[in-house]
Amino acid sequence: TQLLEQSPQFLSIQEGENLTVYCNSSSVFSSLQWYRQEPGEGPVLLVTVVTGGEVKKLKRLTFQFGDARKDSSLHITAAQPGDTGLYLCAGIRPQNSGNTPLVFGKGTRLSVIA
Amino acid sequence: EPEVTQTPSHQVTQMGQEVILRCVPISNHLYFYWYRQILGQKVEFLVSFYNNEISEKSEIFDDQFSVERPDGSNFTLKIRSTKLEDSAMYFCASSVQGTSGETQYFGPGTRLLVL
Repeated sequence: TQLLEQSPQFLSIQEGENLTVYCNSSSVFSSLQWYRQEPGEGPVLLVTVVTGGEVKKLKRLTFQFGDARKDSSLHITAAQPGDTGLYLCAGIRPQNSGNTPLVFGKGTRLSVIA
Repeated sequence: EPEVTQTPSHQVTQMGQEVILRCVPISNHLYFYWYRQILGQKVEFLVSFYNNEISEKSEIFDDQFSVERPDGSNFTLKIRSTKLEDSAMYFCASSVQGTSGETQYFGPGTRLLVL
């Protein structure tokens, strides 16, 4: 079973600070998806990265997929209290058939203090 | 914007009872999934479904679980005889295709509590 390790597990920062969270594995993934999950709700997709070395930006969020497609990072610039939440990475294993299930990390719980 | 819906939002049941969790995937999606998340733990894959058949299932998805697409819109997860350890959030997801890089869209979840 491929594991996705996310770090840090918890992060508490002041408004305006920058931060990076990491998603690492010893296995290759065809793609990685980042989700944000609020308490009692389902994961909401932020981005999908597919190509090794790919960088995607979503406003103040920058996502990068490692060259070897084993790791990914999420960088938030000038964090705001509205960024508070659980950030999950989820990978899809290389597979020829369809219906490829997602493998989730445990998440990074971010708290941005005003 | 189309979204995956799930009912009920909360379900409380007695151990040993059967429960059916319902999902309405996004209408043009062909691939459906169930995941669960035990409190404080990571989201875990249960089963995937395509063309009225199970495509893949995890070791969690034992004989107590079954899935069905009873009509053109609903996708259900049945737990035949619930156990205490089945208490979790259950998420349904759907995607247009099941290929790598294809986005899976998640519903809001059903919180199941087994007493």
